[in-house]
This record gives sequence, structure tokens and C-alpha cells, in this order.
Amino acid sequence: AQTVTQSQPEMSVQEAETVTLSCTYDTSESDYYLFWYKQPPSRQMILVIRQEAYKQQNATENRFSVNFQKAAKSFSLKISDSQLGDAAMYFCAYRSGKAGKSTFGDGTTLTVKP
Amino acid sequence: GAVVSQHPSRVICKSGTSVKIECRSLDFQATTMFWYRQFPKKSLMLMATSNEGSKATYEQGVEKDKFLINHASLTLSTLTVTSAHPEDSSFYICSARDQIRGKVQETQYFGPGTRLLVL
Repeated sequence: AQTVTQSQPEMSVQEAETVTLSCTYDTSESDYYLFWYKQPPSRQMILVIRQEAYKQQNATENRFSVNFQKAAKSFSLKISDSQLGDAAMYFCAYRSGKAGKSTFGDGTTLTVKP
Repeated sequence: GAVVSQHPSRVICKSGTSVKIECRSLDFQATTMFWYRQFPKKSLMLMATSNEGSKATYEQGVEKDKFLINHASLTLSTLTVTSAHPEDSSFYICSARDQIRGKVQETQYFGPGTRLLVL
């Protein structure tokens, strides 16, 4: 079974600074997808960014980018120019290319200090 | 992006009663929907995978007779918590995957969740 590990239960960053959230996963598959989701206090899960395993290029979405290291099975999220609205719980998720369901990490609570 | 709605957003019920939660994909058809349970400040725990027109697939340890799932159409799945007890109090989230020209897409879209409190 696949596992997803987020080793940082809590992180904090100063507004306008950069922060990196860590995620590692364990799988024997070659075809899979990785995601970062944001869950603000409203508890609505919001997709931040996704990465296909077959793509070597790291995904980027505005201020959000990932560092995908396939051999190391690492998938970290970098948030640049942090804003107060970035404060939330962030979940890393793995989805097999074959199976339909996703596996989520335990989450990292990000605090943004003004 | 695709929109998923859930109703109700919160419900309080007495122990022993049943509660139905609806999950709708508003602007796309979803052959597969997922039901999750989340405790405060914890991760999402997958309860079951709901497939349109067939029986749901439950995760190990989830009582299928207690958590009844019905996926009668491509845009609606329901979760019924039968004979609810205080330990069933939790935050329930559904999600669905979009299809484009019949091909299921990889991204899951989530509903806003339902907060259930059983007294």
C-alpha cells in the first residue's frame, strides 16, 4: 500500500517570505499523480497544484511550485511571497494511475505571520 | 474548476436517528465519488468509493450497514448514517472526479463538507 508522509505538523512563515512544505511517499508504481491541497479554516479542500509522475518538469501555479524528486520519492511545495490568506492546513496526496482512490498525508498547518 | 456541493452543511441529530448527506457534482458528470471522514486537525480518512449504478466499495473497517452509500445518478451520491451515535460525530467530505469526453480526469474536486453532531 502506498503511504504519504508529511514530517512537519506545523510550519510558520513571515508574510512575503518563502516557505517549503515537505512530503515523501512510498510506492512501487511508476504511473501516479501527486497533489497538494489546501484546507483553510472553512474546511473546503482546494487544489493547489498537481504533478504527473511521468513529467520531469516541476509544476508551478503562480506563487506555488513543487520540487518533484522521483527517485527520492519526494514532493515538496514551495510557497513564495507568502500571504495571510495562505494560512491553512496543507495536505499532500498520492493517487495511483490504476486505482481510483487517493492517499493523503497527515497535513501541515501553515501559519503566516504579519 | 468543477464544483461539488454538499447538503446539509451541518446537522445536529439525536442518537438513534438516521441522517442523509447529499453530494452533487454541479457542472460535470461524476461516475465515481468518494466519501471521507475527517476529525479535527487530522487527515482525510477514505470511507468508501461510490460508483454510479453499482454498489459502493468500502474501506476496511468501515461498516457498510451503518454508512449506506447510494450513487443513483451521474451527479448525485448520498451517504446515510444509520442509527447515528455520538461517536459518529465528525466532518464528512465528498469528492468527485470530472470526465472530459468520457475520460475520467485525475483531479478530485471536493465538496465543502458536512459537520455532523450526534447528541
